[in-house]
Amino acid sequence: GQNIDQPTEMTATEGAIVQINCTYQTSGFNGLFWYQQHAGEAPTFLSYNVLDGLEEKGRFSSFLSRSKGYSYLLLKELQMKDSASYLCAVSDSNYQLIWGAGTKLIIKP
Amino acid sequence: DAMVIQNPRYQVTQFGKPVTLSCSQTLNHNVMYWYQQKSSQAPKLLFHYYDKDFNNEADTPDNFQSRRPNTSFCFLDIRSPGLGDAAMYLCATSRVRTGAETQYFGPGTRLLVL
Repeated sequence: GQNIDQPTEMTATEGAIVQINCTYQTSGFNGLFWYQQHAGEAPTFLSYNVLDGLEEKGRFSSFLSRSKGYSYLLLKELQMKDSASYLCAVSDSNYQLIWGAGTKLIIKP
Repeated sequence: DAMVIQNPRYQVTQFGKPVTLSCSQTLNHNVMYWYQQKSSQAPKLLFHYYDKDFNNEADTPDNFQSRRPNTSFCFLDIRSPGLGDAAMYLCATSRVRTGAETQYFGPGTRLLVL
C-alpha cells in the first residue's frame, strides 16, 4: 500500500528553527509537495521537490532524498504565524497526490 | 486575483437531506478536484474532473456525486448525508494533471450534519 508518515505534533520556540520530517512509500514518484494549513482553512502550497537536494525559499527550505524515501521541511526564524499544520504529499505514478495526515506545529513565545 | 471560490463556507444540513456544495475558479484550470478532510486527517480525494472527463475514486461512496457544467464550476452533491459525512470539503484545481502541477485550494466548506 501507499503510505506517508510524518509526526503528529511538534512544538518549537519563536525565533528558533524546526525540521519536520516526512517518509513515504508510494507506487511511483513524480514529486513531493509541502503544504501549510492553518486551522479551519485550506492548504496553501509551500514547496515542490522532484530531484534530490535542498530547495530554499526564504525562511522555508525543503529537502528530498528519493533513495531513502525521505523529505524534510525546515523552518527558520519561527514566527507565531507559522503555527499551523504542515502536510507532506507525494505525486504517485498516476499523478495522484498521496497525502500525509499533517504535522501540527505549535509555536511558543 | 485569480482564485478558487467555495460557497457556502459553512453548511448545516439534516440527516438524510440532500445538500449541494459549489466551487468556482477563475484560473481557467483543466482539472478540478473534490477532497473530504476530517479533523487531523489527510485530505481524501473523492473525485476529479479532467475537462469533462469524470474520475471517481474506487472507495468514494455512491452517496457522493459531482457535476461540472463548464470549465469554471464544479458541484458536489451529497444525496443522503449521514453523521459520518460531517467534514471539511475542499475544492482544488490544477492546470493539468502531471507530477509537477501544484493544486490550488479554495477556502473549503465545513459541513455539519444534524
